[in-house]
Amino acid sequence: NAGVMQNPRHLVRRRGQEARLRCSPMKGHSHVYWYRQLPEEGLKFMVYLQKENIIDESGMPKERFSAEFPKEGPSILRIQQVVRGDSAAYFCASSEAAAQYFGPGTRLLVL
Amino acid sequence: SQQGEEDPQALSIQEGENATMNCSYKTSINNLQWYRQNSGRGLVHLILIRSNEREKHSGRLRVTLDTSKKSSSLLITASRAADTASYFCATDATGANSKLTFGKGITLSVRP
Repeated sequence: NAGVMQNPRHLVRRRGQEARLRCSPMKGHSHVYWYRQLPEEGLKFMVYLQKENIIDESGMPKERFSAEFPKEGPSILRIQQVVRGDSAAYFCASSEAAAQYFGPGTRLLVL
Repeated sequence: SQQGEEDPQALSIQEGENATMNCSYKTSINNLQWYRQNSGRGLVHLILIRSNEREKHSGRLRVTLDTSKKSSSLLITASRAADTASYFCATDATGANSKLTFGKGITLSVRP
């Protein structure tokens, strides 16, 4: 049973470009969460999704960021017009009950 | 201060010793989870303790929860160099399938 998968593992973008981060949950999990981690900090919640629904986006910046979890395929976190401050590690987690299991993360570097 | 604060911020011990890490939180919780993160890697789920539980064991790990003090501790017994990592506690306030709130983590160094 494969764990949570994220790709790409590393992503470099120039300011103003778009970043697309993908997350495939563990088999049998229908709940997906995205978190952001800045250097030397803990993880900060961004958004919680179920298939085709955003359940909680209280941690998501109002502009440039969007997330989806379509009926088929992985969950996508999209960051438009990236800025240097978006450089961070973005982690996806999935769950079917209380325990959340994390993927390896995508490290985004904005030049 | 934030929900899920760990202390100490950094801990250095000798291999074979026990490591105790603490976490405090502010609001009522349903569950508290501990995670390990090796440098530059993802988070590994260690253990989950529910608000109606007081203690839980998993291998060399022992977690306690005191809801009256809003605190939890993670004990790693007979530490190994491979236990060197950052440890985070995370709480969820509204039950299963809800967002986790993390502390800033504890950096544990185990000297061989």
